[in-house]
Amino acid sequence: EAQVTQNPRYLITVTGKKLTVTCSQNMNHEYMSWYRQDPGLGLRQIYYSMNVEVTDKGDVPEGYKVSRKEKRNFPLILESPSPNQTSLYFCASSFHQSSTDTQYFGPGTRLTVL
Amino acid sequence: GNSVTQMEGPVTLSEEAFLTINCTYTATGYPSLFWYVQYPGEGLQLLLKATKADDKGSNKGFEATYRKETTSFHLEKGSVQVSDSAVYFCALSDRGTGANNLFFGTGTRLTVIP
Repeated sequence: EAQVTQNPRYLITVTGKKLTVTCSQNMNHEYMSWYRQDPGLGLRQIYYSMNVEVTDKGDVPEGYKVSRKEKRNFPLILESPSPNQTSLYFCASSFHQSSTDTQYFGPGTRLTVL
Repeated sequence: GNSVTQMEGPVTLSEEAFLTINCTYTATGYPSLFWYVQYPGEGLQLLLKATKADDKGSNKGFEATYRKETTSFHLEKGSVQVSDSAVYFCALSDRGTGANNLFFGTGTRLTVIP
């Protein structure tokens, strides 16, 4: 089944404890992206990647890192999480970076930073 | 810059009522327009899209027409069902940015009551 998977689905952590949220897609998509969803703000893009070893900042990149060493994986790294990073995170992918391509979303990771 | 403004919610309708959710956009280039739907506890799914002016996207009884002259992409359905209860997001992807980066509205929660 074609899908985007994220792990973990739920995570509660404490300020300053490094964490990684994994994202994997099995559709051979070139483009991958991370968004965060907050009440009243919709979804905002954190980082994106147009292909292996090619990443760039989105609208809200502060406090996050990403890497794209393999085509299928695009982990999101929080080196020193803070409470304002408590949010619902979505990974997405599309075949190309064309603006007409449909993006496929993962199920989401709900992160709470205490 | 790029932005999407959509109708504030929540919206509550009776089954078989007519639905309109307004969406207007600002874009620096030539956007593609999307409606995504998020069912409770799930990730976002593409509902429909339109990639150029005057295109009409349609799916599951929902429709939206890309109106360049009014910079709008309003979502409509003639007869809603309880199963349509969800949060609806209008989004654009601007090909002028060179990447498939989505800009979302804040979302409109729809509740359909029997």
